[in-house]
Amino acid sequence: QSALTQPPSASGSPGQSVTISCTGTSSDVGAYNYVSWYQQRPGKAPKFIIHEVTKRPSGVPDRFSGSKSGNTASLTVSGLQAEDEADYYCSSYAAGNNLLFGGGTKLTVL
Amino acid sequence: QVQLQESGPGLVKPSQTLTLTCTVSGGSISRDSYYWSWIRQPAGKGLEWIGRVYASGSNGYSPSFRGRVTISVDTSKNQFSLKFSSVTASDTAVYYCARDPIPRGLDSWGQGTLVTVSS
Repeated sequence: QSALTQPPSASGSPGQSVTISCTGTSSDVGAYNYVSWYQQRPGKAPKFIIHEVTKRPSGVPDRFSGSKSGNTASLTVSGLQAEDEADYYCSSYAAGNNLLFGGGTKLTVL
Repeated sequence: QVQLQESGPGLVKPSQTLTLTCTVSGGSISRDSYYWSWIRQPAGKGLEWIGRVYASGSNGYSPSFRGRVTISVDTSKNQFSLKFSSVTASDTAVYYCARDPIPRGLDSWGQGTLVTVSS
């Protein structure tokens, strides 16, 4: 199975909102409500920020939100802050006890 | 709060087998009902899921690595391990272990360990 498709880059000014897409197929993103999102700052391990499409783990600001339509999931970061500048990865459960990642999106805060 | 720590050689020769261990603290592999996963990230590239193991030894592997990879668990040591055979330079990457409460997502990660494949 191929990786999920994310745009390589996204950007926004402080205070703005930015949305990152994650496109899969009817066998992964479209089949299950098990999309997760991760934030990775340079030199650090990824941080779990969204699970099951829309849910935020404890401690994650509500500026981060997730959604899904068909085979495409999205992460929206509202009220952009300088600290949000990082790489963002989506993942989806897939049939056969498999897990797929997106290629990652570099978010730049202008 | 669960913590994970990867350990293993930083340098492996081509064609050899890479072995990494992840030690779990603050939680029990045998008591907690989770899978435990390995993920890698080549320099400047994205995350690649390698596979997962349950306390019972049940596994799931990425089709991209099946046949080269074995993930096992040692509940007595609260550890799980990755064996990656016939490595080449393209297997050079940072390797992460993570808790995997399938299908919720990878909710706790180790800090990662860099493995370089070179003669």
